[in-house]
Amino acid sequence: GENVEQHPSTLSVQEGDSAVIKCTYSDSASNYFPWYKQELGKGPQLIIDIRSNVGEKKDQRIAVTLNKTAKHFSLHITETQPEDSAVYFCAASRTGAGSYQLTFGKGTKLSVIP
Amino acid sequence: DTGVSQNPRHKITKRGQNVTFRCDPISEHNRLYWYRQTLGQGPEFLTYFQNEAQLEKSRLLSDRFSAERPKGSFSTLEIQRTEQGDSAMYLCAHDMGPQYFGPGTRLLVL
Repeated sequence: GENVEQHPSTLSVQEGDSAVIKCTYSDSASNYFPWYKQELGKGPQLIIDIRSNVGEKKDQRIAVTLNKTAKHFSLHITETQPEDSAVYFCAASRTGAGSYQLTFGKGTKLSVIP
Repeated sequence: DTGVSQNPRHKITKRGQNVTFRCDPISEHNRLYWYRQTLGQGPEFLTYFQNEAQLEKSRLLSDRFSAERPKGSFSTLEIQRTEQGDSAMYLCAHDMGPQYFGPGTRLLVL
């Protein structure tokens, strides 16, 4: 089955700096890669996703890049703000057949220091 | 608002008791998922429904767990004879292209 590794497990940045979180996946058939933000006591919130036919996607201060050959993808947050502090999860799935179940990484706790 | 509500939000029970959680998507979608999340970990897939049919179960879903989705709308997840190891956040997600998660039900088994 799919295995997703996520690094780092914790990340502290100064407000206004950039944050980068990296994930690798094992199943070359995976073709959909979402990122979720989870605040304490809440469910995961989708913040951006990318499909394997695209190398990069951007939404305001958030961008995701995908390298299919190396089987890794990254989340980039620019101009970080204190409200960006949360746990971020990457995930991978194979769409097109079957359950489309998501396999998650273990999460990155991001702290933005004012 | 992700369009998914879950009840109860918190549940404390004693070991050996049965518990049932409910998931209500705001509208009927073909696919509905249950995941379990333990402290410090990412969510792990438990099972999924396409309409009312339960089509896949994870090995995490022991015989003590049962899920239903009557009429393809809301879904319930029941745990019988709870164990302390069942303590976790139980998350429901509906598939609108991307998966959108509900707020979860946090279970504590004493």
